[in-house]
Amino acid sequence: SQKIEQNSEALNIQEGKTATLTCNYTNYSPAYLQWYRQDPGRGPVFLLLIRENEKEKRKERLKVTFDTTLKQSLFHITASQPADSATYLCALDDPATGANNLFFGTGTRLTVIP
Amino acid sequence: GAGVSQSPSNKVTEKGKDVELRCDPISGHTALYWYRQSLGQGLEFLIYFQGNSAPDKSGLPSDRFSAERTGGSVSTLTIQRTQQEDSAVYLCASSEGRGGYNEQFFGPGTRLTVL
Repeated sequence: SQKIEQNSEALNIQEGKTATLTCNYTNYSPAYLQWYRQDPGRGPVFLLLIRENEKEKRKERLKVTFDTTLKQSLFHITASQPADSATYLCALDDPATGANNLFFGTGTRLTVIP
Repeated sequence: GAGVSQSPSNKVTEKGKDVELRCDPISGHTALYWYRQSLGQGLEFLIYFQGNSAPDKSGLPSDRFSAERTGGSVSTLTIQRTQQEDSAVYLCASSEGRGGYNEQFFGPGTRLTVL
């Protein structure tokens, strides 16, 4: 089955800097890769989706890249703000199994320091 | 419009008791998922419903776990003879359809504590 690794459990950065979070997978390249934000005590909230034939996707201060050669997605938050502090989860499907569900990473907890 | 709702928000039970967790998906969403999230762990897929098709139960950890979806809407996750290792947050999500190209909308979760 797919194994998903997200870099470091926690990441601290200074307000205004760019946060970069990493999602690596080990087996079959997904057709779709999604990023979610989760705040304490709440369910995850969808942020961005990127397809296997797309290299980059942007939404406001967010940017996602997808490198199927490296089996890696990078998630960037530019001009970070304390309100961006949360846990960020990557999720991907697994075409090899034909499953309709998403496989989630354990997440990276981002703290933006004022 | 209303999002995904779950009840109860918290449930404390004694080992060996049965519990029922409820999920109300977004109206019109045909796909419904149940996940389990333990402390420090990622979301663990449990079961998936799509329309009137047979559910994908491949993620259920044991036969103590079961789920139903009535009328293509509300879903109930039942855990029989609860064990302490069942303690976790149970999350429900719905989406417009199947597959990784559909974003999932999550409820707030039910925190289950088995004493």
